Amino acid sequence: RKEVEQDPGPFNVPEGATVAFNCTYSNSASQSFFWYRQDCRKEPKLLMSVYSSGNEDGRFTAQLNRASQYISLLIRDSKLSDSATYLCVTDGSSNTGKLIFGQGTTLQVKP
Amino acid sequence: DAGVTQSPTHLIKTRGQQVTLRCSPKSGHDTVSWYQQALGQGPQFIFQYYEEEERQRGNFPDRFSGHQFPNYSSELNVNALLLGDSALYLCASSVGISSGANVLTFGAGSRLTVL
Repeated sequence: RKEVEQDPGPFNVPEGATVAFNCTYSNSASQSFFWYRQDCRKEPKLLMSVYSSGNEDGRFTAQLNRASQYISLLIRDSKLSDSATYLCVTDGSSNTGKLIFGQGTTLQVKP
Repeated sequence: DAGVTQSPTHLIKTRGQQVTLRCSPKSGHDTVSWYQQALGQGPQFIFQYYEEEERQRGNFPDRFSGHQFPNYSSELNVNALLLGDSALYLCASSVGISSGANVLTFGAGSRLTVL
């Protein structure tokens, strides 16, 4: 079983739609959680950290459910520029810079 | 302010050869980690260097080795290349190896193709 599991998609949505991604993690001792965005053939870039209380950054909302060991990312009012792969990431309890990435979920926003 | 720089950007090798990839961390960062990203997969942690020592290692064979220099730059070496080593190799820099270490800045990567 992978430590971080995501549905690879692709998710094809029209502009303006709301889309949600979930991911599950297996290590209950994980302390830090992130969503990274990766454009085609580019490096991953931090989209947002995920906090226990949930957090929002503009059109993006991230939530953490420790009891069920899953993380979610909600994107409202999708833009064409949101098309990318979204990587779910944990620290696997180390909190020392060793990050564990999911496979990624591909989003394609259509006009 | 220069971010993380990696070289070369692309390279092609044949099975059995050896390769060296290079990374300069972001200004102010002293920790370098290397990740391997196969096509269609997420990045996988190879190892981390801090104070010129390997601090953590992922599940990679000894064919993968590295080094960190006094100026914090780093090299990744892979010996006896296999077809399965074809991937994007990402370097990430951060500060220290405790609470700040999870904030990574990635370089654009070195794309290795093994024929």
